[in-house]
Amino acid sequence: QTVVTQEPSLTVSPGGTVTLTCSSSTGVVTSGHYPNWFQQRPGQPPRALIYSTSNRHSWTPARFSGSLLGGKAALTLSGVQPEDEADYYCLLYYGGADVLFGGGTKLTVL
Amino acid sequence: EVQLVESGGALVQPGGSLRLSCAASGFTFTNHWMHWVRQAAGKGLVWVSRINSGGSTTIYAGSVKGRFTISRDNAKNTLYLQMNSLRAEDTAVYYCARVGTSGDLDYWGQGTLVTVSS
Repeated sequence: QTVVTQEPSLTVSPGGTVTLTCSSSTGVVTSGHYPNWFQQRPGQPPRALIYSTSNRHSWTPARFSGSLLGGKAALTLSGVQPEDEADYYCLLYYGGADVLFGGGTKLTVL
Repeated sequence: EVQLVESGGALVQPGGSLRLSCAASGFTFTNHWMHWVRQAAGKGLVWVSRINSGGSTTIYAGSVKGRFTISRDNAKNTLYLQMNSLRAEDTAVYYCARVGTSGDLDYWGQGTLVTVSS
């Protein structure tokens, strides 16, 4: 059974930079997995941030960027703001019926 | 404005059935594939099912295959999830989400809570 893994938690200082990663138990994450990233604040539904590895939605702040890094999908936040404190989820497509979310990363801004 | 509004969540006994609805507005519903995603309290997101724009192709997560059925009524701009043989582990908030022109889940509803308990 395929598993998508993210860091359970990360802490960053306001104004700092942090990178969240998303790995696959099947091996290297590629653009063919169309990595997506979502933000979820407490009590809110998920909000789409990044699609197809590195594309931002019109509502996604420029401080959020997506990439492939060391065989994983990555979400980098630069110039972190207090309102960026949230849970972040990646999603990978495996073709056919397999659509898998990672377990999520709880980002604390402290 | 794109809006997705789920309804139908309730308390149901194990083995029971429930049908969730997702009313769509603010976009041309017939042009978009749709997904259901669920989230148990304090846990992560779990993909449940997907349906194509015409309703002819559906796929399911292994944990719900054979018990859940996704469907849509394009005349009513509504997505459904029929859930049968419910188990305690199906307890979660269920979200519907739209597949945007970029192929990703770009808009999500607020969710509806399903509780399976005796």
